[in-house]
Amino acid sequence: DADVTQTPRNRITKTGKRIMLECSQTKGHDRMYWYRQDPGLGLRLIYYSFDVKDINKGEISDGYSVSRQAQAKFSLSLESAIPNQTALYFCATSVGESTYEQYFGPGTRLTVT
Amino acid sequence: GQSLEQPSEVTAVEGAIVQINCTYQTSGFYGLSWYQQHDGGAPTFLSYNALDGLEETGRFSSFLSRSDSYGYLLLQELQMKDSASYFCAAYGGATNKLIFGTGTLLAVQP
Repeated sequence: DADVTQTPRNRITKTGKRIMLECSQTKGHDRMYWYRQDPGLGLRLIYYSFDVKDINKGEISDGYSVSRQAQAKFSLSLESAIPNQTALYFCATSVGESTYEQYFGPGTRLTVT
Repeated sequence: GQSLEQPSEVTAVEGAIVQINCTYQTSGFYGLSWYQQHDGGAPTFLSYNALDGLEETGRFSSFLSRSDSYGYLLLQELQMKDSASYFCAAYGGATNKLIFGTGTLLAVQP
């Protein structure tokens, strides 16, 4: 079984809809991250969490919110989806001070029409 | 601001050696990581340099020069399976975040 899982893997939604992307991990890592990837722009950090009670904004948090339901679960919500949120979304984890070594889930391809 | 620059594309032949460069401008820099991402896949961690010099892991090596704000990933004995995107990422210890470069697409030709 994969250590970091994301659901759904693919999603098509309409403008204005609320959508939640979920991430679960069995690695026992305390730190979790949400990134989006757009062609030519690399990976950009949306939100990150160092433990259940710690949530921090990343570079591009506008239009997104997160919830850390448990150490193993970190969800990303788009409150009102817009077409320029069409992207590939990755969840990642790391342990302790080793933020430089992150483990990524398989990604969710989101299309907003 | 914080930024990393790397070439957008590199092409090499099977069996050859290729170097992917990365220059960075980041505050509170602690070290440089490298990730590989195959088309449609998830990024996977390759290496991390906190100190100046060369770190070798099998066919892959990574180098860092803090004084030059520069690093590179060296891939030897290239194989077709090495065709992928490679990202450098600066680790800011004070911010505890990774800032990724825009990636270098490596195409290995027969």
